[in-house]
Amino acid sequence: SQKIEQNSEALNIQEGKTATLTCNYTNYSPAYLQWYRQDPGRGPVFLLLIRENEKEKRKERLKVTFDTTLKQSLFHITASQPADSATYLCALETGGGNKLTFGTGTQLKVEL
Amino acid sequence: EAGVAQSPRYKIIEKRQSVAFWCNPISGHATLYWYQQILGQGPKLLIQFQNNGVVDDSQLPKDRFSAERLKGVDSTLKIQPAKLEDSAVYLCASSAEDSHNEQFFGPGTRLTVL
Repeated sequence: SQKIEQNSEALNIQEGKTATLTCNYTNYSPAYLQWYRQDPGRGPVFLLLIRENEKEKRKERLKVTFDTTLKQSLFHITASQPADSATYLCALETGGGNKLTFGTGTQLKVEL
Repeated sequence: EAGVAQSPRYKIIEKRQSVAFWCNPISGHATLYWYQQILGQGPKLLIQFQNNGVVDDSQLPKDRFSAERLKGVDSTLKIQPAKLEDSAVYLCASSAEDSHNEQFFGPGTRLTVL
C-alpha cells in the first residue's frame, strides 16, 4: 500500500541547533516533493519544492534533500529559533495538475 | 495580494444536519482544492478543480459531500447529512495554472459535528 511517513513524535531541540525532519514514502514515484509549515489554527504555508532530479535545495536557513532510491526526503533548519516551532508537512506529487498527498506532519519545538 | 478567503471560520452542527463552506481563491488561480484535515493528521485532498471542471474527486465521499465551482472562481463544499466523523478542519487552497506550483491555503473552517 502507499504510505508517507513522518516522525509522529514531536521533535524538541535547543535554540541554535539544527533540526532534521524525515519524510519516507513507499509505493510512490513523485516527480517532486514540497515542504509546508503549519501553525496552530492556520493553513499550511509553502516552504520549498525539490524535483526528482535534484539532490538538494536551499533557502536561507532551510535545506531539503531528496533521495529517490531511498524514497526519503530530509528537511533541515539550521540555527533554529523558537519562531521555527510549528508542524512541518511533506507533500508528494501524486497526480497531474499538481495533485499532492500530504504526510501526517512532524511537530517541531525549539526551546530557549 | 489578497490570500485565499474562507468562511465561516467555525461551525458547530448536529449530526444529520447539512453545512456549506465557501472559498474564494487568489485572483487568477485556475486550480482550486478542498482538503479535509482531521486533528493530528495531514490534509487529505477531497476534490480538485481546474477552472470549473473537476480534475480529481476520487477521495470525496460522494454520498454526502458535494462541491461546485460554477464560474471558475469561488467554490462551495457541502456536507449533507453530516456524521460525527466529519468533524475536522476543511481547508481550501489554490494554485496558478502551471504545474509544480506551490499551493496557497486559506485559514480553514473548523467543523464540529455533535
